Amino acid sequence: DGGITQSPKYLFRKEGQNVTLSCEQNLNHDAMYWYRQDPGQGLRLIYYSQIVNDFQKGDIAEGYSVSREKKESFPLTVTSAQKNPTAFYLCASGSELEVEQYFGPGTRLTVT
Amino acid sequence: EDQVTQSPEALRLQEGESSSLNCSYTVSGLRGLFWYRQDPGKGPEFLFTLYSAGEEKEKERLKATLTKKESFLHITAPKPEDSATYLCAVRTMKTSYDKVIFGPGTSLSVIP
Repeated sequence: DGGITQSPKYLFRKEGQNVTLSCEQNLNHDAMYWYRQDPGQGLRLIYYSQIVNDFQKGDIAEGYSVSREKKESFPLTVTSAQKNPTAFYLCASGSELEVEQYFGPGTRLTVT
Repeated sequence: EDQVTQSPEALRLQEGESSSLNCSYTVSGLRGLFWYRQDPGKGPEFLFTLYSAGEEKEKERLKATLTKKESFLHITAPKPEDSATYLCAVRTMKTSYDKVIFGPGTSLSVIP
């Protein structure tokens, strides 16, 4: 089955620790995206990548980092510099031929 | 400034009671308007893409329409399983990257 997987589904961390969220897709999409979702707000773009070994900051990149070493994978690291990291994180992918994006199941991160 | 708003914030319907959700947008250079369905704790599920004013798309009890300033998601004779948050998003043409802007969503509850 083609799709996007994210792991883990739930993640708990102590304040001051870095944490990495996984995102893998087998849709052969060139572009991949990371969004953050908070209650009552629209999805906000953290980082995006349109091609392997290249990525760009989105609207709220501070305190986050990414890598894109393979077409299928786009991991997101939430660093200790992110002031309010508790949120639902969504990974998405898309192709040049389609304007819409497709989403993974999400990772809920709780930092205490 | 590019913006997407949705109304109402929440909607409660009796089973079989048809209604509409609204998505209003102000963007420059629309490339597409999307509707997604999101169940609690899950990633958004793609429903429709609309490209130009006057366009309509249907899927089961859902029908999406588009004008130059807004889109409606009509729900005909809803069932309890239609309960979810419905997200609207627009893709705009920018110089280096097509930006996708999400609205905050409408939470729909269908009561048996």
